[in-house]
Amino acid sequence: VIWMTQSPSLLSASTGDRVTISCRMSQGISSYLAWYQQKPGKAPELLIYAASTLQSGVPSRFSGSGSGTDFTLTISCLQSEDFATYYCQQYYSFPPTFGGGTKVEIK
Amino acid sequence: QVQLQESGPGLVKPSQTLSLTCTVSGGSISSGSYYWSWIRQPAGKGLEWIGRIYTSGSTNYNPSLKSRVTISVDTSKNQFSLKLSSVTAADTAVYYCARAGAATVLDYWGQGTLVTVSS
Repeated sequence: VIWMTQSPSLLSASTGDRVTISCRMSQGISSYLAWYQQKPGKAPELLIYAASTLQSGVPSRFSGSGSGTDFTLTISCLQSEDFATYYCQQYYSFPPTFGGGTKVEIK
Repeated sequence: QVQLQESGPGLVKPSQTLSLTCTVSGGSISSGSYYWSWIRQPAGKGLEWIGRIYTSGSTNYNPSLKSRVTISVDTSKNQFSLKLSSVTAADTAVYYCARAGAATVLDYWGQGTLVTVSS
């Protein structure tokens, strides 16, 4: 099983800020990483897959980078609708697993 | 636009079997190379992948749940289902169904349904 460490678990930020969320793997996973956004009471939504490929319809202020063991999700200019919880997911090895989540809250 | 909708009892007694169905609309469950998946999320916690089924009937399960999980598909009804046996309070969660490609990237999700295990 691949262990995933997502940090920070809580991030306080203001509208317009640039924010970064980290996801670190216990072993290399090439680029087999996805990022999801989840708002309270809603299902997660796919933002990025293959570490850096933006899902259709996702705003370009979201970007992903990294390979191997270290990955980053960046929101270049935080908007009000971006306050949510973000999860990374590895799909390199079975079973697919998720990070513990990062809640982005209003500062 | 593919849509998924979970349905099933919201309350299950301990030691019984949890049964949920996911109805797919906006496309045939048999078309394309997709895996139909179940994921769960206990209140205030993270996501756990339960398992998936291909339209051929081929399944993959999370080893942590494998002994208790069965996923099946009914292509005539455009549905797939989850059964989880011998449930305990630890199985209380919001259960989501979702679609994934071969890479297990989950691109369409249902809204989720809360299942509580309690006597």
